[in-house]
Amino acid sequence: GQQVMQIPQYQHVQEGEDFTTYCNSSTTLSNIQWYKQRPGGHPVFLIQLVKSGEVKKQKRLTFQFGEAKKNSSLHITATQTTDVGTYFCAGPSNTGKLIFGQGTTLQVKP
Amino acid sequence: KAGVTQTPRYLIKTRGQQVTLSCSPISGHRSVSWYQQTPGQGLQFLFEYFSETQRNKGNFPGRFSGRQFSNSRSEMNVSTLELGDSALYLCASSEDGRPPTFFGQGTRLTVV
Repeated sequence: GQQVMQIPQYQHVQEGEDFTTYCNSSTTLSNIQWYKQRPGGHPVFLIQLVKSGEVKKQKRLTFQFGEAKKNSSLHITATQTTDVGTYFCAGPSNTGKLIFGQGTTLQVKP
Repeated sequence: KAGVTQTPRYLIKTRGQQVTLSCSPISGHRSVSWYQQTPGQGLQFLFEYFSETQRNKGNFPGRFSGRQFSNSRSEMNVSTLELGDSALYLCASSEDGRPPTFFGQGTRLTVV
């Protein structure tokens, strides 16, 4: 079946270092969403990307949607301890069901 | 605006019992979706409702069901509970045509 894979599963960085998580779909996506979930919390919607090759920025976060609309990335510049959490990508299947990646858990050492 | 409200927050049930979880979306949002989150399987889509109609259903057995009321509040029901149903159940609301945007705090279900 359709799959959305995320790598890496875990990432430990020193505060101030950059961080990137990658999301790859087995099929073309009409759009992709990114969410952040803090430990013990619920997912928080970050952004939706719709266009091929789209790049969007939110302060230190940069989101990209691949040209083929099968992959996406989230890059955080100069991580802070407040960036700790699990980052999920999600995209609709060809039947409209939302499929989530397994998430990348980010730990930031102060 | 009040956020998405899920009740109860925590629940402990015995195998074989049934459970009903409730979700009140953000005022004005008519789209409600439900998800199961477990350490092993991650976030999995259960259902999506819009204006009292189920628009989509995930790959879960028929023991999982849901409904949406005219005020957009939604419930999901799990019958004949199994140990593997222990999970965090999340609902999200959104404006029509938008991805799930606002999640509730979730209901932590433990089946013993």
